[in-house]
Amino acid sequence: EAQLVESGGAVVQPGGSLRLSCAASGFTFDDYTMHWVRQAPGKALEWVSLISWDGGNAYYADSVRGRFTISRDNSKNSLYLHMNSLTTEDTALYYCVRTDSGSYNDAFDIWGQGTMVTVSS
Amino acid sequence: DIVMTQSPDSLAVSLGERATINCKSSQSVLYSTNNKKFLAWYQQKPGQPPKLLISWASTRESGVPDRFSGSGSGTDFSLTISSLQAEDVAVYYCQQFYSFPITFGQGTRLEIK
Repeated sequence: EAQLVESGGAVVQPGGSLRLSCAASGFTFDDYTMHWVRQAPGKALEWVSLISWDGGNAYYADSVRGRFTISRDNSKNSLYLHMNSLTTEDTALYYCVRTDSGSYNDAFDIWGQGTMVTVSS
Repeated sequence: DIVMTQSPDSLAVSLGERATINCKSSQSVLYSTNNKKFLAWYQQKPGQPPKLLISWASTRESGVPDRFSGSGSGTDFSLTISSLQAEDVAVYYCQQFYSFPITFGQGTRLEIK
């Protein structure tokens, strides 16, 4: 069974940094484009970033471009999100998500349970 | 950016009745070359991650009950639950994956009347 497990969420001060991780299992990780999607408490879903199957291409939402970096290690079946210059607007539950194919343009078929990032002084 | 607007924001329907949620995109999400509509629907129950219900506007995912159906054109889409069950109480989101940034609707909360 395909599964994604996020970790690394924490309480961090404004201006701080954090690295989220996502461990994938039950599928051939390097066959798939992967994403991060976040959800602020009580709010709608917001796409954050994607990375191609080989890590060669990445895209970002305007709200995080220049501050967040997505990466992956296919040898470890792992996805990462490096977050810098965090603000209170980044407070959210961060989901690791699989695209339903190797394509960039496809629905999100597998979601992790999420890891919570709280930015607060 | 393609803005996805759902209506209504909340909906209360009696058990066994039909529920319809609408989603309008600010630009077409129809790729004319292959006539595919880059639109998905998700269901999110409290304390759970979203679950993919329908992709390509009308393709139901494996295991999704057939009371769920999706339809629509290039900019106007709908999700219909033909006979509401208690377990369908959730927030429903539409999503376009036609272009970046990928965007979601604001969500529609579905409750039992």
